[in-house]
Amino acid sequence: DTAVSQTPKYLVTQMGNDKSIKCEQNLGHDTMYWYKQDSKKFLKIMFSYNNKELIINETVPNRFSPKSPDKAHLNLHINSLELGDSAVYFCASSQERLGTGPNEQFFGPGTRLTVL
Amino acid sequence: DQQVKQNSPSLSVQEGRISILNCDYTNSMFDYFLWYKKYPAEGPTFLISISSIKDKNEDGRFTVFLNKSAKHLSLHIVPSQPGDSAVYFCALNQGGKLIFGQGTELSVKP
Repeated sequence: DTAVSQTPKYLVTQMGNDKSIKCEQNLGHDTMYWYKQDSKKFLKIMFSYNNKELIINETVPNRFSPKSPDKAHLNLHINSLELGDSAVYFCASSQERLGTGPNEQFFGPGTRLTVL
Repeated sequence: DQQVKQNSPSLSVQEGRISILNCDYTNSMFDYFLWYKKYPAEGPTFLISISSIKDKNEDGRFTVFLNKSAKHLSLHIVPSQPGDSAVYFCALNQGGKLIFGQGTELSVKP
């Protein structure tokens, strides 16, 4: 029973294309996140949604647009892909409201995006 | 500008011995500190956390120590087991955002 799932696991595409990554959690959590792990292995937050509302939006190019159709899903759409977008993208979810508690987050398995 | 640093990219330990993973941070405005463990091709999994008002938290073989004056966090695993071999990330909770270090790869040899 997968708690946080992402599709696809691997994505290889050409520069300039538009692609989407989907994320679903069955934990009943209210908050979901997207993280990017770059070639230097740093995990950096990109976005966070709480009950379908955007609450964290780090300095991310406008080509990246998250969409949350309901609180169990948070998708990431990327327009005009660039070489530098190649990375592993992780989705996560948590139950706690931001600013309270340790904010233990549950991560998906990641999507490895390769832009050629 | 790295707020969280794990200066050892790798650590090798013999099975049964203690593993000590270290983490330094620059900003004091954090409420909670967390450790995550990551196996290849999987997402990070939560291991243990500590509040900024405490200096130690223990859970089975895992103990996290916080030294606020030194802005230093460490994770002790004892006894270490081969299944502990993974990449360990420390993370700081800043208003709900987790800020991660770059990870330390632990290898526990039988």
